[in-house]
Amino acid sequence: GQNIDQPTEMTATEGAIVQINCTYQTSGFNGLFWYQQHAGEAPTFLSYNVLDGLEEKGRFSSFLSRSKGYSYLLLKELQMKDSASYLCAGMDSNYQLIWGAGTKLIIKP
Amino acid sequence: GAVVSQHPSWVICKSGTSVKIECRSLDFQATTMFWYRQFPKQSLMLMATSNEGSKATYEQGVEKDKFLINHASLTLSTLTVTSAHPEDSSFYICSARRLENEQFFGPGTRLTVL
Repeated sequence: GQNIDQPTEMTATEGAIVQINCTYQTSGFNGLFWYQQHAGEAPTFLSYNVLDGLEEKGRFSSFLSRSKGYSYLLLKELQMKDSASYLCAGMDSNYQLIWGAGTKLIIKP
Repeated sequence: GAVVSQHPSWVICKSGTSVKIECRSLDFQATTMFWYRQFPKQSLMLMATSNEGSKATYEQGVEKDKFLINHASLTLSTLTVTSAHPEDSSFYICSARRLENEQFFGPGTRLTVL
């Protein structure tokens, strides 16, 4: 079956760094997505990885290891506005997104 | 670019009525659109995949006669919740596919059925 696992909740301090892990099992693989979702809003795209390695985009970076079925989202210099849910989604061979349950990130001052 | 709109953004209706939600890709053509439902504190649940000019493909457990989907053009898909009941109250989100690995989300529609 297809499955995406990520932690339910994480807490971090403003200004610090946090890493949100995601493991995936999909039927075929066409990439790994990370989305940010604030409460009551639709998800917004953060990153897409289809090759192994680290993709850096400002304060956010995303890493992929296809052999391990593993990805992480790294957030640096955390700001209070980064408090949100972070959704990991794998794209299967039919180009369908398989969604994780999301990681709620709580930022404390 | 790559903007997807939804209308209405929120709706309150009485039990037994039908509600139509529109999803539009404003600056690109989308042969495929997706409809999701999200209950509070839960992840997105794919309801159906909508392909322009053909019947929608529904996920297991989603009643196709209750959730009517019409993808009439390359920029518009509609979801009609027929005979809505309180348990249908949820956040409905559409997304539109531009390329195979590009999927853009609408802002969502919050449905409350009294």
